[in-house]
Amino acid sequence: QVQLQQSGPGLVKPSRTLSLTCAVSGDSVSNNRAAWSWIRQSPLRGLEWLGRTYYASKWNTDFAESVKSRIMIMADTSKNQFSLQLNFVTPEDTGVYYCVRVIDGASDYWGQGTLVTVSS
Amino acid sequence: DIQMTQSPSFLSASVGDRVTITCRASQSVTDWLAWYQQKPGKAPKLLIYRASNLQSGVPSRFSGSGSGTEFTLTIYSLQPDDFATYYCQQSHTSRTFGQGTRVEIK
Repeated sequence: QVQLQQSGPGLVKPSRTLSLTCAVSGDSVSNNRAAWSWIRQSPLRGLEWLGRTYYASKWNTDFAESVKSRIMIMADTSKNQFSLQLNFVTPEDTGVYYCVRVIDGASDYWGQGTLVTVSS
Repeated sequence: DIQMTQSPSFLSASVGDRVTITCRASQSVTDWLAWYQQKPGKAPKLLIYRASNLQSGVPSRFSGSGSGTEFTLTIYSLQPDDFATYYCQQSHTSRTFGQGTRVEIK
């Protein structure tokens, strides 16, 4: 059974960096059939895909245009986890952040969600 | 960006009803379309992938159809556990979600 366990702070100050980690069990982040993504949800923006990392002969990343200039997603194979860093956050980045596994274009396993509030 | 538009945004239905939710894409996504169910305070749950494939463990009363720009999620014989919000998501070009359809008890 695949499980994704998220960790990271729930409060981030404006202009700082939001950092979350997703520990994977029951699968490998190096699985070349899967992509590992971050999605967020807020009342203002609904469900919003942020980006993904996946292994296909080498590690690859794709990001949403809306956050492309300030996002990084990385996999750590030694710990079988992947992480999100979102720089220069504003209150508009407040929301529930989910890590997900994607196969065949669909998110079949989700983390428990982390409510991140951007506030001073 | 490909825009996904769901209709209706809200519907009221009774147990046993057949419910249909439509999702339209602003350009073709071929069959790269998934449907999710979300209950308050929980992560979304995958129901359908590649437009018409039922995810393992999902009851057979859920069915997806369509291709290109128009897709449908049908729930045959609505059950009490099905009252939730439903989202479509395309993964043809980047990934975008519809705004959601809330299904409530009449």
